[in-house]
Amino acid sequence: GIQVEQSPPDLILQEGANSTLRCNFSDSVNNLQWFHQNPWGQLINLFYIPSGTKQNGRLSATTVATERYSLLYISSSQTTDSGVYFCAVASNYQLIWGAGTKLIIKP
Amino acid sequence: EAQVTQNPRYLITVTGKKLTVTCSQNMNHEYMSWYRQDPGLGLRQIYYSMNVEVTDKGDVPEGYKVSRKEKRNFPLILESPSPNQTSLYFCASSLSGGGTYGYTFGSGTRLTVV
Repeated sequence: GIQVEQSPPDLILQEGANSTLRCNFSDSVNNLQWFHQNPWGQLINLFYIPSGTKQNGRLSATTVATERYSLLYISSSQTTDSGVYFCAVASNYQLIWGAGTKLIIKP
Repeated sequence: EAQVTQNPRYLITVTGKKLTVTCSQNMNHEYMSWYRQDPGLGLRQIYYSMNVEVTDKGDVPEGYKVSRKEKRNFPLILESPSPNQTSLYFCASSLSGGGTYGYTFGSGTRLTVV
């Protein structure tokens, strides 16, 4: 089955810093999503990005499907960006999840 | 506002006492599913539904039941909860489950079975 790997597993940054999170997937897929799980446990859909680049405020994402990876960029980090960032791909009517990147933004 | 609504957010119950976690979406999505999240095991699918009256097992269906009598609702039923069902549960919906569209998740239900 499809394997989804994320890096780095942990990231600690000062407020205001920029970061890049990576997601690699093992098979060709035409769908990829990024989620943020906040410290209260809520899962928030950030991007549905099967290919190309999207931006939403300080966050942007790029997926290069032919090379089987996606990147999530966070600029000018704020403490509210803390939490776990997951990427996931849909296969056989379910989402296959990466293990997540735990991001801690220090004030 | 387009959303998936789960209730309750938090629940503490005793072993064997039947409970239902409700899930409702207002986006006219055909596909709905339930996941549980456990430390070290990630998110695992319990059941999913492709449309009204169409449900199928995910990876961890044991101990759970679901029904899809209306398009908007997809309740998760624990007939006889056990402590190993203590977990964080999420309901999700999508226009279709094949990945052509994104998934929207509810806010989660943190269940503790004592």
